[in-house]
Amino acid sequence: ILNVEQSPQSLHVQEGDSTNFTCSFPSSNFYALHWYRWETAKSPKALFVMTLNGDEKKKGRISATLNTKEGYSYLYIKGSQPEDSATYLCAFFSNFGNEKLTFGTGTRLTIIP
Amino acid sequence: DSGVTQTPKHLITATGQRVTLRCSPRSGDLSVYWYQQSLDQGLQFLIQYYNGEERAKGNILERFSAQQFPDLHSELNLSSLELGDSALYFCASSAQTAGTGSYEQYFGPGTRLTVT
Repeated sequence: ILNVEQSPQSLHVQEGDSTNFTCSFPSSNFYALHWYRWETAKSPKALFVMTLNGDEKKKGRISATLNTKEGYSYLYIKGSQPEDSATYLCAFFSNFGNEKLTFGTGTRLTIIP
Repeated sequence: DSGVTQTPKHLITATGQRVTLRCSPRSGDLSVYWYQQSLDQGLQFLIQYYNGEERAKGNILERFSAQQFPDLHSELNLSSLELGDSALYFCASSAQTAGTGSYEQYFGPGTRLTVT
């Protein structure tokens, strides 16, 4: 059973502050790490797909880093805005065995205006 | 709008019944995935089809089955329904070719199933 853990489970951040959260995954048999953003009453939407150790990706105020050797990824949000309120999911894809994305349970981010 | 469509949006049915959920992938995507989101649980992978063939299987119950048709739309069949099957069922598609996970998945709006 693959364990993908995200912390914290939930987070309240003042508008304008920056924040980050963590995704931990198995460090063996790594193939890809996905980040998705899931707003209430909508469906998950991909932010990043990362495949290389040391990868850093950026989209506007949101960025992510990847460490496959130690099995973690960080998602950063700079200058949080109310529209950043959502649940952020990471998902791990292994190159061994069943070819599927294993999702973490997410970090629920609430931006306080 | 992700380009993935799912019908119906909501479904209310009784225990013991059978339902079919339908998904049309984004144009050109050959891979279709089904996920279950139950209360207080993360997204659970059920099954993947690639160009009509089953490619990967998660913890899908034997009462559940799926298929992908030649036009690439997919159906998830849930039978002998139990109260615990109440959940949000997502379909996703990707350009993923068989055997790689480096393509992002595009999620449909989901079908909310309520079993009473």
